Amino acid sequence: DAGVIQSPRHEVTEMGQEVTLRCKPISGHNSLFWYRQTMMRGLELLIYFNNNVPIDDSGMPEDRFSAKMPNASFSTLKIQPSEPRDSAVYFCASSLGSSGPYEQYFGPGTRLTVT
Amino acid sequence: AQSVAQPEDQVNVAEGNPLTVKCTYSVSGNPYLFWYVQYPNRGLQFLLKYITGDNLVKGSYGFEAEFNKSQTSFHLKKPSALVSDSALYFCAGTGANNLFFGTGTRLTVIP
Repeated sequence: DAGVIQSPRHEVTEMGQEVTLRCKPISGHNSLFWYRQTMMRGLELLIYFNNNVPIDDSGMPEDRFSAKMPNASFSTLKIQPSEPRDSAVYFCASSLGSSGPYEQYFGPGTRLTVT
Repeated sequence: AQSVAQPEDQVNVAEGNPLTVKCTYSVSGNPYLFWYVQYPNRGLQFLLKYITGDNLVKGSYGFEAEFNKSQTSFHLKKPSALVSDSALYFCAGTGANNLFFGTGTRLTVIP
C-alpha cells in the first residue's frame, strides 16, 4: 500500500497567487482530513470529509480557503489568493471513519512558502 | 466540550530511563483514544489506540499506554527510552461525531 499521497511536497509561491494542494487517500478509506501545522499554532484541523461529503469546515481560516473531494480517491485544498501567513505544512490524512475507533494515516505533507 | 490535554510541552529523559508522556481526556460516553508520533519533516504516525477492554494497550516501537478511567488519563509509556524516540507526540480522541488532538509534547531523549 502506497499510503496517503500528497503533491507537491514543496510549494513556493508569491503572495496573491493561487495554490492547489492535492491528496490521494488510502484506497478503501471513506474519511479524509486536511490539517495545517505551524510552530505558532501547532496542528489545526481545517476540514474533513465522509464519503466525499464535507462534514466540518469550521477550521477553514477564511473564504480564501476551499476544499473539494470530487471522488473517493482525490481531494484538493485551494488557497486563492495566498498570503505569507498561509505558510505552513499542510497534511492530508485518511481513515475508515471520522469518529469511533479509527486511526488516521497521514501523508508526508506539503510545505508551503508564500513570499 | 470534548477534548484531550497534554500538560507538558517538553519532556526530557535520559537514554535507558523509562519515559512517560501525559494525556488527560474529557470525553462523554466511551472514549476512543490514540497516540501519534511525528518525526522531523514527517507526517504523524499512528502508535496505538484504546477502544475498550484491557487498560494497558501495547503499540509500535515498544510503546504502551495505560487507560485510567478514574483519573481520565491515557499516558504513553516506554520502559527504556532510546535516542531515536526523540520526536513530537500527540494524544488524540474521538467522540460521537468529532475528533480532537492535543497540542503535542516534544520528547527529547538525552544520550
